[in-house]
Amino acid sequence: DQQVKQNSPSLSVQEGRISILNCDYTNSMFDYFLWYKKYPAEGPTFLISISSIKDKNEDGRFTVFLNKSAKHLSLHIVPSQPGDSAVYFCAFTSGTYKYIFGTGTRLKVLA
Amino acid sequence: DVKVTQSSRYLVKRTGEKVFLECVQDMDHENMFWYRQDPGLGLRLIYFSYDVKMKEKGDIPEGYSVSREKKERFSLILESASTNQTSMYLCASSSPGELFFGEGSRLTVL
Repeated sequence: DQQVKQNSPSLSVQEGRISILNCDYTNSMFDYFLWYKKYPAEGPTFLISISSIKDKNEDGRFTVFLNKSAKHLSLHIVPSQPGDSAVYFCAFTSGTYKYIFGTGTRLKVLA
Repeated sequence: DVKVTQSSRYLVKRTGEKVFLECVQDMDHENMFWYRQDPGLGLRLIYFSYDVKMKEKGDIPEGYSVSREKKERFSLILESASTNQTSMYLCASSSPGELFFGEGSRLTVL
């Protein structure tokens, strides 16, 4: 039973344009949502998060949107830069010890 | 600065060997985790620990065990390594609302 889905395994975007990464979930008990970025041969690093009481959170070029009725989470990167090329994972938690991760989307930003 | 340190970045082992992967965190976190990352499968939880000597199985515990003798240290043990355990292993510790990961240990089992 896959609770979290990242349906796009890969995405290519021109430098300067917007990158949109998406995540769908099924468990309505999730109350905290995170995005992680991972470069090859490194551990994931935290990017941005949002709690269930909000629908938007911004941090510089990164904005996370939460649509609870659609059970949909998205990450917008504007403007995209070549250094943003990485694998992005969404992650969800319901305040317990457990974090559920998506399968990841490989973003490639073309110079 | 937050620090999760994994003892080995790259290991090559033979089928049937015992493998120890060690992880140390310096943030005094109670919760620690072991994940494995495989292409197309994302990060899957193997085991986690919420206190010293306390552990719980994650989604894929088969073939693995763990040890948490001290708060800062969480070890993953493969009693008899198999080729399907070739993977990237990631240790993490958590504060409320965030996981902090180590650099990862790439294990190849021949």
